[in-house]
Amino acid sequence: QKEVEQNSGPLSVPEGAIASLNCTYSDRGSQSFFWYRQYSGKSPELIMSIYSNGDKEDGRFTAQLNKASQYVSLLIRDSQPSDSATYLCAVNFSGTYKYIFGTGTRLKVLA
Amino acid sequence: GAGVSQSPSNKVTEKGKDVELRCDPISGHTALYWYRQSLGQGLEFLIYFQGNSAPDKSGLPSDRFSAERTGGSVSTLTIQRTQQEDSAVYLCASSPSQAGQETQYFGPGTRLLVL
Repeated sequence: QKEVEQNSGPLSVPEGAIASLNCTYSDRGSQSFFWYRQYSGKSPELIMSIYSNGDKEDGRFTAQLNKASQYVSLLIRDSQPSDSATYLCAVNFSGTYKYIFGTGTRLKVLA
Repeated sequence: GAGVSQSPSNKVTEKGKDVELRCDPISGHTALYWYRQSLGQGLEFLIYFQGNSAPDKSGLPSDRFSAERTGGSVSTLTIQRTQQEDSAVYLCASSPSQAGQETQYFGPGTRLLVL
């Protein structure tokens, strides 16, 4: 059973701090990794995608991938109250069309 | 351009009735996905279409669920004899190809409530 695991939270951070969200996955053959943000009552929207080991930065967001340890993380710098949402990690397993989503981590940024 | 659209946005039905949920993907996107999200839960994969074909239907929860896609575009998810446990948000997503590395673009979802 291919799995993607996330801490459900809530993760509370003060405004301006760095929020660190983590995700582990079970299949070593996984190739593609995605972070989606989902506001309450809304559909998921893509934040970052990452395919290679290392860091990928986009504005205040940095995705980190470590395939040897089978984890992917998302760092949000200078967190804002508007970042408060659930963050979903999604993994595409090699050779398939199937994306497995974690249950999400709820982030609260406190003003 | 237009994003993924879904209809209806909300559906309330009585137990035992059939419902049809519609997804209109982004034009030109060949891959289409259906997911279900129950309250406070992650996304549960239901079915994937590449063009009009669904290579894997194993994610469908029961034989009461079926889906089709016509013209490589619009898809319909049908739930027959609805049960209360079918209440959830049904999300459709599309992506440009079958590569598996493509971003999925989600529609706004259909919120289904079975009384």
